[in-house]
Amino acid sequence: EAQVTQNPRYLITVTGKKLTVTCSQNMNHEYMSWYRQDPGLGLRQIYYSMNVEVTDKGDVPEGYKVSRKEKRNFPLILESPSPNQTSLYFCASSLSGLAGAVGTGELFFGEGSRLTVL
Amino acid sequence: AQSVAQPEDQVNVAEGNPLTVKCTYSVSGNPYLFWYVQYPNRGLQFLLKYITGDNLVKGSYGFEAEFNKSQTSFHLKKPSALVSDSALYFCAVKGRAGRRALTFGSGTRLQVQP
Repeated sequence: EAQVTQNPRYLITVTGKKLTVTCSQNMNHEYMSWYRQDPGLGLRQIYYSMNVEVTDKGDVPEGYKVSRKEKRNFPLILESPSPNQTSLYFCASSLSGLAGAVGTGELFFGEGSRLTVL
Repeated sequence: AQSVAQPEDQVNVAEGNPLTVKCTYSVSGNPYLFWYVQYPNRGLQFLLKYITGDNLVKGSYGFEAEFNKSQTSFHLKKPSALVSDSALYFCAVKGRAGRRALTFGSGTRLQVQP
């Protein structure tokens, strides 16, 4: 079954304790992205990756890191989490990079990871 | 910069009645436009998209959307609402050059009453 898998689905942590949210897709997609969802703000992009070893900042990258060492995995790293990073996080992937005439923009989303930073 | 506005936080409609969820956008040049749906405790699911061609786009679950270039709108519609349509709906836009990401609206909660 084609899917995007995120872990953990729920996490409560404390300020400053490093954490990683994993994301894996089994569709051989080139493009992967992380979003955070906050009430009234919709989804905001944190980071994205056009392919292996190619990553770039989205709209709200501060406090986050990512890596793309393999095509299927795109972990989100919070080196020193703060309470303002309490949010619902989604990983998404797409066959192509959404660029130009090639990309159709259809994103496949994971189930979400609800993070609470105390 | 590209942006999306969903002016209604919530839309209430009775089952069997037609529904409309509004979306307006701002982008340089011609847009790619999308609707996604989010059911409780789930990720977003793709509903439909406008890339080019006919202004009326048909998608999953009986939904359709009409692209109106002059009004920069892409309203989501369904002729007859079902209780199971109750969910959070997101409109998204991408320009055909430059920024390589979708910009999402803030979402509209659709509540269909039996």
